[in-house]
Amino acid sequence: QVQLVESGGGLVKPGGSLRLSCAASGFTFSDYYMSWIRQTPGKGLEWVSYISSINSYTYYSDSVKGRFTISRDNARNSLYLQINSLRAEDTAVYYCARLAAVGPLSDYWGQGTLVTVSS
Amino acid sequence: EIVMTQSPATLSVSPGERATLSCRASQSVSSNLAWYQQKPGQAPRLLIYGASTRATGIPARFSGSGSATEFTLTISSLQSEDFAVYYCQQCDNWPYTFGQGTKLEIK
Repeated sequence: QVQLVESGGGLVKPGGSLRLSCAASGFTFSDYYMSWIRQTPGKGLEWVSYISSINSYTYYSDSVKGRFTISRDNARNSLYLQINSLRAEDTAVYYCARLAAVGPLSDYWGQGTLVTVSS
Repeated sequence: EIVMTQSPATLSVSPGERATLSCRASQSVSSNLAWYQQKPGQAPRLLIYGASTRATGIPARFSGSGSATEFTLTISSLQSEDFAVYYCQQCDNWPYTFGQGTKLEIK
């Protein structure tokens, strides 16, 4: 069965950095676009970034462009999110999600990893 | 950016009754609309895509309708496991945006 397991979240000071990872299993990882979606109590669900399956074309929301970098390693079945220059408003649960074959919607999600930005 | 607005924010319905949730887009998204269900402590779960197609394993009591800017998720005969928060998401234009959610609670 499809499994997505995130790791790398934690408490970080404003201006700091983190690298989130997502280990995928149960499907042919290289066939699918992948995404990072975050959730906060205040702003709800926000689609942060996604990456194409083979050529690694990347897309970012305006709120993270220039600070976040999505990448993937198809040989390791892994997705990453490098997050730099962290701000308090980046505090959220970050989900790794697979994009469905039918379009830009997420048919499988990980359990999420919490990133807390606080001094 | 397309703004998705869901109503109502909270809906109280008795088990066995029908629930109707609404989602409005600030501009047309054609039929590029998905619905998700989220329970406390869990990730969202895909219910509906293409405005009206049920995802794999989703019971027939869940149905979606609408196009352009107005969409509806209907749950006929509510079961106890259906009480959760429901989100719509437009898949038409990047950034793909979500509504703020409708909490479906037991009356």
